[in-house]
Amino acid sequence: KAGVTQTPRYLIKTRGQQVTLSCSPISGHRSVSWYQQTPGQGLQFLFEYFSETQRNKGNFPGRFSGRQFSNSRSEMNVSTLELGDSALYLCASSFQGLAGANEQFFGPGTRLTVL
Amino acid sequence: DQQVKQNSPSLSVQEGRISILNCDYTNSMFDYFLWYKKYPAEGPTFLISISSIKDKNEDGRFTVFLNKSAKHLSLHIVPSQPGDSAVYFCAATPFGNEKLTFGTGTRLTIIP
Repeated sequence: KAGVTQTPRYLIKTRGQQVTLSCSPISGHRSVSWYQQTPGQGLQFLFEYFSETQRNKGNFPGRFSGRQFSNSRSEMNVSTLELGDSALYLCASSFQGLAGANEQFFGPGTRLTVL
Repeated sequence: DQQVKQNSPSLSVQEGRISILNCDYTNSMFDYFLWYKKYPAEGPTFLISISSIKDKNEDGRFTVFLNKSAKHLSLHIVPSQPGDSAVYFCAATPFGNEKLTFGTGTRLTIIP
């Protein structure tokens, strides 16, 4: 089974621009979560989508948004980029079966650099 | 407010010996815990998990122990191998919730 894929792997943008990152979950996985990893703050939860609906949200400003498509693929968008948005953005998917608790499987991440 | 803490930023262990990584949490709502391993330029890789109804879970060389009264969990790796050198993150969540709260990580170095 193919793992979680993220595109692009690397991105360089300038302040004020916007960016869209893409994530394809493991086949059959219905939940997709996004995390931001920075040296200072570690891994922080952005949001989670399940069946095209945002189900959980972290403490990030409204400039960070996302969506999920009917095939479970997800995108996240960051508008009006700031220098502090430079980070590794990780996508994770899980099956979300009847058991309730599901391990999340991570993609390789998109390294975003804002200049 | 750091709800999940890994107080040791780094740990060095001789190859073949036991590696013990520790994690503390403060949120009583957490009842499902996971350990991930991360290599540079890669996403975290799931290792092992434990729910609060258990106090121990084993998977090969990896064992996780949970002490609910102390709000403490630990990951034991026996025997340690050079390929285990990586950053290890513990994460916690209420059962059934996909929002993982991560610790800051411990860099494990296995010395040959």
